[in-house]
Amino acid sequence: QSALTQPASVSGSPGQSITISCTGTSSDVGGYNYVSWYQQHPGKAPKLMIYEVSNRPSGVPDRFSGSKSGNTASLTISGLQAEDEADYYCSSYTSSSTLHVVFGGGTKLTVL
Amino acid sequence: EVQLVQSGAEVKKPGESLKISCKGSGYSFTSYWIGWVRQMPGKGLEWMGIIYPGDSDTRYSPSFQGQVTISADKSISTAYLQWSSLKASDTAMYYCARTLTIGEGLDYWGQGTLVTVSS
Repeated sequence: QSALTQPASVSGSPGQSITISCTGTSSDVGGYNYVSWYQQHPGKAPKLMIYEVSNRPSGVPDRFSGSKSGNTASLTISGLQAEDEADYYCSSYTSSSTLHVVFGGGTKLTVL
Repeated sequence: EVQLVQSGAEVKKPGESLKISCKGSGYSFTSYWIGWVRQMPGKGLEWMGIIYPGDSDTRYSPSFQGQVTISADKSISTAYLQWSSLKASDTAMYYCARTLTIGEGLDYWGQGTLVTVSS
């Protein structure tokens, strides 16, 4: 089972918006509305930012939004702030074998 | 307050066995799945498997099936990840995290347990 495909890195200036893509297949991203996004700062545990494609857990700023089109999900961060600099991972439920969940390879966000 | 507290860092030799733990509190431990995620040094997140402490239903990623054992003791709200014979390639940070439904999203995470396997 291959990991979901994410760009290795993205960057943006404070106040700008960026979008991170997450491409899978019809067996995972395209087949279910179970796409999640996680933020991980160095040396810290991942934090859930988006679940079920576009839902934000309590406490996550509304600058973070998620969407999906076909086999590609996207995380958009608007009004970039310095503290948004982190690694971001997508994940999806998958019907492939007994894996159940697959992660993307991760995207390093740099705030210039 | 929901918390998942993992056991401390471990340093082991190849061939040794190991069992690390993840203790849940602040919620109904038997009503949520506990998943395990590996992060090798400088690398991304990998799904290892998941257990439902309510009935011990356990699912493994094909990559980890037969390599590790996931278990839980609901009487003490604790999930476990164990190895019978460690390899140097098992060196990684291991996280536990909970979810209401498989694939829905891991909403609370443990702090991680660093396992170092070296001769």
